Amino acid sequence: AQSVTQLDSQVPVFEEAPVELRCNYSSSVSVYLFWYVQYPNQGLQLLLKYLSGSTLVKGINGFEAEFNKSQTSFHLRKPSVHISDTAEYFCAVSDHTGTASKLTFGTGTRLQVTL
Amino acid sequence: GAVVSQHPSWVICKSGTSVKIECRSLDFQATTMFWYRQFPKQSLMLMATSNEGSKATYEQGVEKDKFLINHASLTLSTLTVTSAHPEDSSFYICSARDQGSGGKTQYFGPGTRLLVL
Repeated sequence: AQSVTQLDSQVPVFEEAPVELRCNYSSSVSVYLFWYVQYPNQGLQLLLKYLSGSTLVKGINGFEAEFNKSQTSFHLRKPSVHISDTAEYFCAVSDHTGTASKLTFGTGTRLQVTL
Repeated sequence: GAVVSQHPSWVICKSGTSVKIECRSLDFQATTMFWYRQFPKQSLMLMATSNEGSKATYEQGVEKDKFLINHASLTLSTLTVTSAHPEDSSFYICSARDQGSGGKTQYFGPGTRLLVL
């Protein structure tokens, strides 16, 4: 079984400031890691994913995340946020086993960008 | 690429009626689709895994006779909420695994908001 912890339920930040959204996971097997963004009344959009290889992953909209196996973390970062980045961000993991790898989601972090 | 659509986006119905929600993968084939439910300001809760040509696999606590799932083709899965009641009001989101990219990534639909009066 896996679990995902997003400690920060809300992160307020000023426009053009850097931001980090934290994600820690727990799993007894190797995992794939994902960050999704959800705008109000919409589905989830894939921001980036770590499947293998380089631990620094770049995604859309200027976001990046770094997989740290020893700390079981996959924090999401952006060096300069925009008002349009205001949304809910979900970290998720799935394991390498099975033919229908289910996603386990964190509880989400609300990023609120203000002027 | 990897676009998933849902229809309808909004539905309001009377208590006791059934509602069908469609989930389509528009530009890829998906042998596996997933149905989630999301309550306000909460994370997604997996309801069931929909497998093309076979029965769906339901998560613990989800009534399979209440939430009927059919995955008749590689691009279409449907969720039917039977005899809907106000407590079924929620945001339903589907996702599809892209087999072309190794099946490791789920792409999500825009969601369907159901309101049962």
